[in-house]
Amino acid sequence: NAGVMQNPRHLVRRRGQEARLRCSPMKGHSHVYWYRQLPEEGLKFMVYLQKENIIDESGMPKERFSAEFPKEGPSILRIQQVVRGDSAAYFCASSPVGQGLAAGELFFGEGSRLTVL
Amino acid sequence: GESVGLHLPTLSVQEGDNSIINCAYSNSASDYFIWYKQESGKGPQFIIDIRSNMDKRQGQRVTVLLNKTVKHLSLQIAATQPGDSAVYFCAERRKDRGAGNMLTFGGGTRLMVKP
Repeated sequence: NAGVMQNPRHLVRRRGQEARLRCSPMKGHSHVYWYRQLPEEGLKFMVYLQKENIIDESGMPKERFSAEFPKEGPSILRIQQVVRGDSAAYFCASSPVGQGLAAGELFFGEGSRLTVL
Repeated sequence: GESVGLHLPTLSVQEGDNSIINCAYSNSASDYFIWYKQESGKGPQFIIDIRSNMDKRQGQRVTVLLNKTVKHLSLQIAATQPGDSAVYFCAERRKDRGAGNMLTFGGGTRLMVKP
C-alpha cells in the first residue's frame, strides 16, 4: 500500500511565478491536510479538504494561495505570484474517512520543498 | 500551543540512556495529544497519542505522560538508540475544530543520540 505521494520533491521558482504542489493520499483515504514548515520550525496547518470540498482553510493566506481536491486526481496546492517568504517545505497528510487508526494519526508525505529566488 | 523559534531546543543523550522530551500546551479544549517524529528530509511520522482523559499511555519503548493540571505533555523513550535521532513534535487535536484530524503542532525538540 503506497504511502502519501507528493511531487515535486523540490521546486525552484522565481518571484512572480506560480507554484503547483501535488499530493496523492494513501489508498482509501479521502481526507487531505496541507501543512507548511519553515526551517527549524514546527508545522503550520493550512487547509483541510475532503473530495471536492474545502472543510477548513483557516490557515491559508488570504491571497495567492488556493487548494483543491477534485473527485479524480491528486490534491493541488497552488501558490500564485510567489514571493521569497513562500520558501518552505509543504507537507501533505491524509487520513481515512472519519478517524484514523489512532485518533491523532495523520500519514504524511515526504514534502515538497519550494525555493523562491 | 504553537511556538515559533529560530532554533530548535536540543536534547543530547547517550545511546542506551532514557530520553524525556517535554511539551507545554495552552489549549484545554483538545481531545487528543500526539507525538510525531521527523527525520531529516522526511515527513513527520506518528509515534503515539493519548486521549485527554488519560494521564499515561505506553507503546513499544515509548511512554507518553499527560499532566492536565500544568498543561504538560512528555514523551519518554527507553534505551535510546541512534535511530531515534530526529526532531520530535507534540501536537494536539482540538475538539472545537470539528470532525477530522486537524492538528496544531508545537515547536519541536531535536534529539541527538551519541554512540
